[in-house]
This record gives sequence, C-alpha cells and structure tokens, in this order.
Amino acid sequence: DGGITQSPKYLFRKEGQNVTLSCEQNLNHDAMYWYRQDPGQGLRLIYYSQIVNDFQKGDIAEGYSVSREKKESFPLTVTSAQKNPTAFYLCASSIDVGSSAKNIQYFGAGTRLSVL
Amino acid sequence: GEDVEQSLFLSVREGDSSVINCTYTDSSSTYLYWYKQEPGAGLQLLTYIFSNMDMKQDQRLTVLLNKKDKHLSLRIADTQTGDSAIYFCAEGNSGYALNFGKGTSLLVTP
Repeated sequence: DGGITQSPKYLFRKEGQNVTLSCEQNLNHDAMYWYRQDPGQGLRLIYYSQIVNDFQKGDIAEGYSVSREKKESFPLTVTSAQKNPTAFYLCASSIDVGSSAKNIQYFGAGTRLSVL
Repeated sequence: GEDVEQSLFLSVREGDSSVINCTYTDSSSTYLYWYKQEPGAGLQLLTYIFSNMDMKQDQRLTVLLNKKDKHLSLRIADTQTGDSAIYFCAEGNSGYALNFGKGTSLLVTP
C-alpha cells in the first residue's frame, strides 16, 4: 500500500541525548514536512524539503536537524539543544508540482516523544 | 505565518448537524483544507476547496467559503459518534507548507 510510515510510534529520550525519528514515503512525492503538535497548539512546522538534498527551516527549527538524501526519506533528529522535546511529531508529504496546484499533504501516524 | 483561527471545542448530539468555523488572514491562499485527527493518530484529509469556489459538497460534508470575509466552514450532516475527533482548518499556496489552525475538538454525544 502507498503511504507514509513513521517509526517508532513511541520514543523516549534521556537528557543530553540526540534521537532520530524516521519518516519514509512511497508516494513518489517531492515535498516532505515535519510538524510538531502540542496540546492546544495545533501543528507547528519544524522543517520542510521540496527536493532531494535541499530543505528549509520552518517556524520552530531550533534544536532540530534534518537530512534529505533520498526522495523517500526525511529523518528528523531531535538534538540535546531542544530543551522541551516532549510532543507528538507528524511527518507529511505532498506532490508539490509548483504554482497554482493544490498542495494536499498526506500524513503519517506520528511519533510520540517523551523525555525520561 | 498568517493566523488561522478556530473555536476550540464543539459538542453536538448524535443525528444533529455540526458546523465548524474557521477564519484566515492570508488573502493569497489558493486552497483551503479540512483535516480530521482521531486520538493518537495522524491527520486525514477530509476535503478541500479552491479559493474561487464558494461551496463544495461531498456526501455528508459541506464546505462553505466566504472569501470576502475570509471565513470557511465545515458542516457535517447527521453527525455520528465516529465523527468525534479534532478538525483542523488549513490554508496554503502551492509549493509551501500549510498553515494550520489549532483545531476544533468535536464531541458527539448519544
């Protein structure tokens, strides 16, 4: 089946540790996104990538890093510099065909990150 | 980014209609979206509307867009308990990430 797979579903981070969240898509989409969701805050954009080997900071990029070495994969690393990492992290992808086109984003099931 | 505003909570009785409202500020938005999130899950696209339309209907869902007032609404007819979820309004221009509201929690009571 086509879709977006996020892993793991639950993740625990120790203080000072970097952790990496996986996001893989087999939809042949060019664009991929990472959002953070906190209760009552909605979704906030961390990073996005419109093409392989290129990515842009979103609204809350500090303390996070990403890579886009393959079209299918867009892993997110939560670094020790992120002091409040406990949240639900959502990965999304879209076709991203340029101007005047609908930019429907398809979401994975999410990773819940907690701090030990 | 620009603000997308939604009321945070709505409660309706099973069988009634639900209306979830959203206002946005970016007049250059080309598409507006409604997503549904069930507990512990990702977001599922429900429907979307192009900015030059004022209404779109899809089975039990009706989307109304007032572009002059930058107001979007989602009506769910014959609401069922399975419709209980968080509903997100989002605006976007192609090629860029979407700008989401904070979500409206819909509770359907028997």
